[in-house]
Amino acid sequence: NAGVTQTPKFQVLKTGQSMTLQCAQDMNHNSMYWYRQDPGMGLRLIYYSASEGTTDKGEVPNGYNVSRLNKREFSLRLESAAPSQTSVYFCASSERRRNTEAFFGQGTRLTVV
Amino acid sequence: GQQLNQSPQSMFIQEGEDVSMNCTSSSIFNTWLWYKQDPGEGPVLLIALYKAGELTSNGRLTAQFGITRKDSFLNISASIPSDVGIYFCAGSNTGNQFYFGTGTSLTVIP
Repeated sequence: NAGVTQTPKFQVLKTGQSMTLQCAQDMNHNSMYWYRQDPGMGLRLIYYSASEGTTDKGEVPNGYNVSRLNKREFSLRLESAAPSQTSVYFCASSERRRNTEAFFGQGTRLTVV
Repeated sequence: GQQLNQSPQSMFIQEGEDVSMNCTSSSIFNTWLWYKQDPGEGPVLLIALYKAGELTSNGRLTAQFGITRKDSFLNISASIPSDVGIYFCAGSNTGNQFYFGTGTSLTVIP
């Protein structure tokens, strides 16, 4: 009954370093999402993938890349981390249909120093 | 990107009181969702609404899909300390994008 699993849970990076955030879901959902959450800003969509093999930019895609590795996995990559990317990152998944709900992972708390 | 207007931003209430919060949008949605986020955790789905005018309950929580399809409301009755957290609304049309409110932070004073 795992749902959406994110790794790692915490990470500290130096400016300029790169890293990949991993996300996997076991609900057989077609759609997957990456959000960032900053104080007072709610959840902002970075990228999403409506199905395996497709990805689309969301509201705040700059500085990020994504890969939909297969139906289960959707990774988020920071090529050259900046302090402005300090945030909490959430992965989510949903079925791809008109009336549906998104289910979230527990988040990755990233600090860029 | 579209962000929903959620109010109030924060609430401090006594245990046992009822709570009301709402969410408005400039666009119509086919689906309204309400989530709760505990500190250090991801948002957890509380209630999903799919039809204008729909009223749905989940224990002490009741949510309504506004008839204009541009708003939604969440009520919590007889609040308890474990209701503490941040409540988010979200709207969706296609199921490919979910738009979130900025959250209502709820503090329950025992």
